[in-house]
Formats: sequence, structure tokens, C-alpha cells
Amino acid sequence: EDQVTQSPEALRLQEGESSSLNCSYTVSGLRGLFWYRQDPGKGPEFLFTLYSAGEEKEKERLKATLTKKESFLHITAPKPEDSATYLCAVQGYTGGFKTIFGAGTRLFVKA
Amino acid sequence: DGGITQSPKYLFRKEGQNVTLSCEQNLNHDAMYWYRQDPGQGLRLIYYSQIVNDFQKGDIAEGYSVSREKKESFPLTVTSAQKNPTAFYLCASSIDTINQPQHFGDGTRLSIL
Repeated sequence: EDQVTQSPEALRLQEGESSSLNCSYTVSGLRGLFWYRQDPGKGPEFLFTLYSAGEEKEKERLKATLTKKESFLHITAPKPEDSATYLCAVQGYTGGFKTIFGAGTRLFVKA
Repeated sequence: DGGITQSPKYLFRKEGQNVTLSCEQNLNHDAMYWYRQDPGQGLRLIYYSQIVNDFQKGDIAEGYSVSREKKESFPLTVTSAQKNPTAFYLCASSIDTINQPQHFGDGTRLSIL
């Protein structure tokens, strides 16, 4: 069964303190891995899609990387406005079209 | 601006009552989805539609119903058979169902009176 586990559940950083969020996944053949950002009371906002091991994508202070078993979302010199919940999701070949979402990592960045 | 509009933002349901959540998109996407989000859990799929006049059950469809009469609209009805309806409901759409990111609305929070 396809599965996604995100860690840590919550992460508290000082402004400027770089760190990484982890997304471990189990799928029988990865179609794609997606990262989203969700602010409180809002819907998730799409950030990145990664398709194959070794692929990397960047956007401002965020960089997503992918291996055969996990993905990392690296946050460089975060600012308070980066505070949000970050969701990871995967779509595998055996699940048909279904996208499996992790429970998310809540990031708090203090000024 | 293209996007997905969900309404209402907050909804209250009485015992034995059916309520309908609205979802409209102007992205010209074929696929639409309904998810339920509970604290500490990942999004769970309720129903999805790959094309107009077609929809399929997701993992937790019991107590819910949908229709897809127009490409732009995918309303969700929470029936009285759904015994634990309190949750945050999210509607999403994508170009198609394979390998495409989903675009989400801002959700409807449903509570029981």
C-alpha cells in the first residue's frame, strides 16, 4: 500500500536558521512527488513536482530534492512569512490516479 | 484570475440535515476532487471526477454524494448518514488525473450544531 510519512510533525526555527523537512514514501513505482504549502484556514498551495531520483527544484528560499525513498524540502535562511504547514504527496503507478498525502510538517519561524 | 472558489467558508449542520458544499473552478480543468482534512491526518479522498457526468468514490465516500453536471462545478452533499461530519473540506482540480499537481480552493469548515 502506498504510504507517505512526514517528519518532524512540527519544527521551530529562528529567522535565518536553515533546516530541512523530510518526506519518506513507499510506492510501487513513483509517478510524481508533490510539495504544497498550507496556511491556517486556507487550501494547500502547490510548490513543486519531482518525478525521478536526483531531481531538484528551487523557489526562493525553498529547494526540494528527491531520492528513491524520500524527499527533502530545504529551507535556507527562513523568514517568519515561511511559517506554514508543508504537505508532501505522492502518486504511484499501482494506485492508479490516486494521490496520497502526508500529514504535514508545521513550520514556525520566529523573528 | 483563474482559480477554485468554495462556499460557504463556514457551515453548520443540524442533526438529520443534509448540507451541500459548493465548488466552482474556472481553470478549464477536467478532473475535480473532494478531500476531507482532520487534525493530524493527511488529506483523505471522498470523491473524484475525471470528466463531466462521471465520478467515482474515493476512500471515505460513505455518507457523501456528488454530482458533475458541468465542467466548472462539483458540489458535495454531506448527508445525515455521515455520523462524524465535522471537518475541513477541500475541493481541488487538475488538468487530468495523472501526474498533475492539484489546485485547491480555500475550504469549507463544517461543524455540527
